[in-house]
Amino acid sequence: EIVLTQSPDFQSVTPKEKVTITCRASQTIGSSLHWYQQKPDQSPKLLIKYASQSFSGVPSRFSGSGSGTDFTLTINSLEAEDAATYYCHQSSILPWTFGQGTKVEIK
Amino acid sequence: EVQLLESGGGLVQPGGSLRLSCAASGFTFINYAMTWVRQAPGKGLEWVSTISGGGGTSTYYRDSVTGRFTISRDNSKNTLYLQMNSLRAEDTAIYYCAKGGGGGPFDPWGQGTLVTVSS
Repeated sequence: EIVLTQSPDFQSVTPKEKVTITCRASQTIGSSLHWYQQKPDQSPKLLIKYASQSFSGVPSRFSGSGSGTDFTLTINSLEAEDAATYYCHQSSILPWTFGQGTKVEIK
Repeated sequence: EVQLLESGGGLVQPGGSLRLSCAASGFTFINYAMTWVRQAPGKGLEWVSTISGGGGTSTYYRDSVTGRFTISRDNSKNTLYLQMNSLRAEDTAIYYCAKGGGGGPFDPWGQGTLVTVSS
């Protein structure tokens, strides 16, 4: 099973600050890595697919990069509505797996 | 607009059974793999099971539910199912259905249905 390790687990950030979340895979997965945002009491929503492809309707301040085993989600100029938990997910090899999540809090 | 609506959750005793349903609309259901993902209270996301699309019937499960859970679909009703038997306390979670699972992202997700296994 491919283990995805996100860092940090928690981040407290002021509005307009830049946020960087990393996701490291236990073995190479090419670009089969996707990012989701989950706000409290809501279902997850897709932000970035295949490591760096923006998803329709997602604000341009969200971007992704990486390939192989190391991936990054960047939120430029954080807004209050971005308070959420962010998850990475690999679709390279079954069983599909998720990172443990990174909670972003607004100061 | 693509919509997924889960139902069937509830309180069940350990060892009991439940069947979850996910009604899909807004896309050609038969063409897509479909997936169940769960989230225990206060915890992260955990993939449970995927069924292939395109008219195929290949199914995939995480180890901890293999032999207890069965995923299926009725393409004539645009509905996905998860039959859950021999339920355990550790199966307590919100169960989400999601479009996808055939090697790409999950999108969209339903609103989820809560399953509580407790005596």
